[in-house]
Formats: sequence, structure tokens, C-alpha cells
Amino acid sequence: EAGVTQFPSHSVIEKGQTVTLRCDPISGHDNLYWYRRVMGKEIKFLLHFVKESKQDESGMPNNRFLAERTGGTYSTLKVQPAELEDSGVYFCASSQEAGFYTEAFFGQGTRLTVV
Amino acid sequence: GNSVTQMEGPVTLSEEAFLTINCTYTATGYPSLFWYVQYPGEGLQLLLKATKADDKGSNKGFEATYRKETTSFHLEKGSVQVSDSAVYFCALIGDDGGSQGNLIFGKGTKLSVKP
Repeated sequence: EAGVTQFPSHSVIEKGQTVTLRCDPISGHDNLYWYRRVMGKEIKFLLHFVKESKQDESGMPNNRFLAERTGGTYSTLKVQPAELEDSGVYFCASSQEAGFYTEAFFGQGTRLTVV
Repeated sequence: GNSVTQMEGPVTLSEEAFLTINCTYTATGYPSLFWYVQYPGEGLQLLLKATKADDKGSNKGFEATYRKETTSFHLEKGSVQVSDSAVYFCALIGDDGGSQGNLIFGKGTKLSVKP
């Protein structure tokens, strides 16, 4: 069974440019999460999809971030325009259930560097 | 709000040494507690979990006991191996009903085991 896949693994862009990150969850997993780890800090929750609907986007830092999940399959996270403080590792995770006992399966992450 | 605090790293040990990584949490009620591990070049993997007080999670020789009285979930292993070198993250899911599997992470502790 394929795991959670993220593209690209690394991205280096200039401040002001646009970057789109992609996440392919495990097949059949309705729940998809995005997290971000800024250097030296905690991994922080960004948002949660249930199928194609945004269940919780309370962690999105600002309106420069746009997440979509068309058809309830893969998801994209677009940053436009990128700022220096957006640098970090972006993780995607998926799960069958969503709740107290959830075991989330994570991708390898996308390392974003904004210069 | 809910939070997780874990010991600062990096931690460097010799092979077969005893490992303890401290983790304490702040949360209302009875959260679920997790240890995730990230091996070099890989995504986060669930190492072990405990969902109620006094439960012990265990996997691959690692153990952690959910201590409600001290709000702790310390990770231990009796004899580490070089292959245990990784970054370890303590995390929780709150039981406040609002969380839908959203993990709250500590900052991570990097472990290096020398032969």
C-alpha cells in the first residue's frame, strides 16, 4: 500500500514568488491534514480536510496560504506571495478516522526555503 | 490551550545506553498521548501511543507511561542502537471535542547514537 506522498521534496523560491505543494494521501483516507515546522519550533497544525471540505483551518497563518482538495483526493497548498517567514518543512498526513484515537500517517514533508 | 513540552536536544548516547526523553503536557481532561519518530530522510511515523491514564504504550523496545498526576509521557528505552538515531516528537490530541485528530506537537528531540 502506498503511503502519503508529497511533492516536491525541496523547493527554493524567491520572496514574492508563488509555490504550490502537493500531497497525495493514502487511498481511502477521507481525512487530510497539513502541518508546518518552522526551524527549531514545534510542528504546528495548519488545516484539516474531510473529503473535499475544510473541517478546520484555524491554523492557517494568513490569507497568503490557500489549500484545496478537489474531489477529495490529493490536496495542494499554495503560498502566494511567499515571504521569508514561510520557510520550513510542510508535512501532510492522512487518516481513515478523525478523532481522539486517530493514527495519522505522514508524508516525508516538503522543505520550503524562501530567499 | 493545550501544549506539549519536551526536553531540548540534541541527545548523544553510546550504543546500549539507557534513553529517557522527557515530555510533559498541558491539557484539560484526558488527552491521547503519542510519540512520533522521524528517521533521516523519512516522514513522521507513529512510535507508540496511550489513550488513558496509567496506560503504557510500547513498540520496538521503547516505552512510555501516561501519568495523569504528573502530566507526563516520558519515552524510555533500555538499550539504544545506532538505528534509533532520529528525531522524536511527543504529541497529544485533546479530548475537548473540538479537535478532529489535530495533533499538538512538542519541539522534537534529536537523538544520535554512537557505536
